Amino acid sequence: NAGVMQNPRHLVRRRGQEARLRCSPMKGHSHVYWYRQLPEEGLKFMVYLQKENIIDESGMPKERFSAEFPKEGPSILRIQQVVRGDSAAYFCASSPGGQLAQKGYTFGSGTRLTVV
Amino acid sequence: KQEVTQIPAALSVPEGENLVLNCSFTDSAIYNLQWFRQDPGKGLTSLLLIQSSQREQTSGRLNASLDKSSGRSTLYIAASQPGDSATYLCAVANTGGFKTIFGAGTRLFVKA
Repeated sequence: NAGVMQNPRHLVRRRGQEARLRCSPMKGHSHVYWYRQLPEEGLKFMVYLQKENIIDESGMPKERFSAEFPKEGPSILRIQQVVRGDSAAYFCASSPGGQLAQKGYTFGSGTRLTVV
Repeated sequence: KQEVTQIPAALSVPEGENLVLNCSFTDSAIYNLQWFRQDPGKGLTSLLLIQSSQREQTSGRLNASLDKSSGRSTLYIAASQPGDSATYLCAVANTGGFKTIFGAGTRLFVKA
């Protein structure tokens, strides 16, 4: 019973390149959440998705960032034209949704993005 | 807008001490409150989840309480061990349970 799987664990990108971060939720979970953790800071909500729908993207920067959770396959967080300030740990969490959300979140191990 | 504050930001104690970590939130209309542990460079491990209708949850040496009316939760760690050294995060899910706001965490160091 695999947990939330994120890959890659570490990602190095040069300024201006694109970064793609993947998250496969736990089996049976239909809700995915992305958080960003800057060095020495807490986790900041970015976006909440259900299959094929973005429910809440109030924490996403308006430019260069996008997220999707297709019908098949993992959720993708995409950062275009990365800058040094994008360097952070990006965590994905999943939950069953609905009344089962009472079980709370399960987090992946994160992707640590370094922009050089 | 929900805001979550954790006090203290850092704590250093000798092994064997009982300790309390504090979490406060501004909007009492919460769905649940979850305590996590994060080791350096690692992901988050869920420790305890308290539903809005509950007052406390216990797991081993950990006990978490919730007082919605005052907007507070505490995490009590009994007989602390060096292996408890980590950052402890408090996270509040607002009504609906879908968006969780995190505190900045308390960095705990237990000295052997």
